[in-house]
This record gives sequence, structure tokens and C-alpha cells, in this order.
Amino acid sequence: EIVLTQSPATLSLSPGERATLSCRASQSVSSFLAWFQQKPGQAPRLLIYDASNRATGIPARFSGSGSGTDFTLTISSLEPEDFAVYYCQQRSNWPLTFGGGTKVEIK
Amino acid sequence: QVQLVESGGGVVQPGRSLRLSCAASGFTFSSYGMHWVRQAPGKGLEWVAVLWYDGSNKFYADSVKGRFTISRDNSENTLYLPLYLQMNSLRAEDTAVYYCVRESSGYLDYWGQGTLVTVSS
Repeated sequence: EIVLTQSPATLSLSPGERATLSCRASQSVSSFLAWFQQKPGQAPRLLIYDASNRATGIPARFSGSGSGTDFTLTISSLEPEDFAVYYCQQRSNWPLTFGGGTKVEIK
Repeated sequence: QVQLVESGGGVVQPGRSLRLSCAASGFTFSSYGMHWVRQAPGKGLEWVAVLWYDGSNKFYADSVKGRFTISRDNSENTLYLPLYLQMNSLRAEDTAVYYCVRESSGYLDYWGQGTLVTVSS
């Protein structure tokens, strides 16, 4: 099973600041990595697929990069609605696995 | 628009069974793989099971293998087509919100709002 490790666990930032979230895989997942956003009481929402492609309707301030074992989700300028928990997920191997999440909170 | 609505959750005693349903609409159900993903209270996401678009293949997480069964009915002549998760021999650690999720081009693109399963005596 591929283990995904996200860091940091919590990121405290102010609106307008840049957020950089990391996801590291225990073995190469090529570019088969996605990012999700989850707000309290809501289902996760797909943000990024194939490491760097924005899903339909996702604002341009969200971007993804990386390949192999190291990936980054960047939010260029935080909006109030961006404070949430973010998960990475790989589809390179079964079983599908998720990272433990990074909470982006208001500083 | 794509809609996925889960039902069937509730409180169940350890060792008992429960069947979850997911009513899908707004897309060609028979063309998409479907998954169940769960989230224990206050915890992260855990993938549970997948069923190929045509029902030809199924995969399960080790934590549920042999106890849970995913199935679908592509043939029902109804507006809302169903995905199921039969859960047997339930354990306290199966307590979670269970999400029904559509897969598109390998990614989990649409999620239902989830149904809560609580396993407790």
C-alpha cells in the first residue's frame, strides 16, 4: 500500500497570503495524484487531478505540481472560503490511498 | 446535474449487517466506475471499495474485504440508478460517514453528501 504523508498538519495563514501544502508518497505514483478540499460538514471536492490539472470550476489561484513522490498544492492568495482541510490521493496502485490531510486555518 | 444521494445509514450493533444505497442521476450511470469512501468521525478519508462501470471488476480495502460487498444495477428502468454497499459483521471501527463517489478518468469527481453508520451496542 502506498502511504501518502502530508505536511504540515496545520497551516495558519491570513487571507491574501500564499499557502503551500506538501504531499509525499512512499513510492512513485508518477503523476497519478489528486487534491481535494473539504469544509466542515461537507463532502470533499476535487480540486486537482493528474498532479497539475484543475478540475472543472476550480479557480486559477489553486495550482498543483510535482511527480514521482513529491507533490505540492499552492493557493496563490487565500480567500476566506479557502480555509478548509486539504487531502491528497493517489490512484497509481490499489488500494487507493489518501494522505492524512492539512488543515488551513485563519491566523 | 450529477446527483448522488446516499441512504441506509443508522445505528447498528456489532456483528450485525446494514445495506447502504446510493441513488445516482444526471449522468449515464452505466458508463462510470463507482466507489465508496468513508470517514470516521474527526478523521481522514479511507477508500472502501470500487465497482467497474459494467460490474466486471471489484476491489476492496483490506479492512473490509470478506465483509463488505459493492454492487450496482445498471438495468433498472428508473430515474435514479442504484449503487449498494452490503456491510456484514460490522465492527466499531466501521463507524463512519460513507460517501458514494463517481469516478471519471481515474479520479473521484463527484461525491454524495454521505450517510452516517454508527456501530455500537
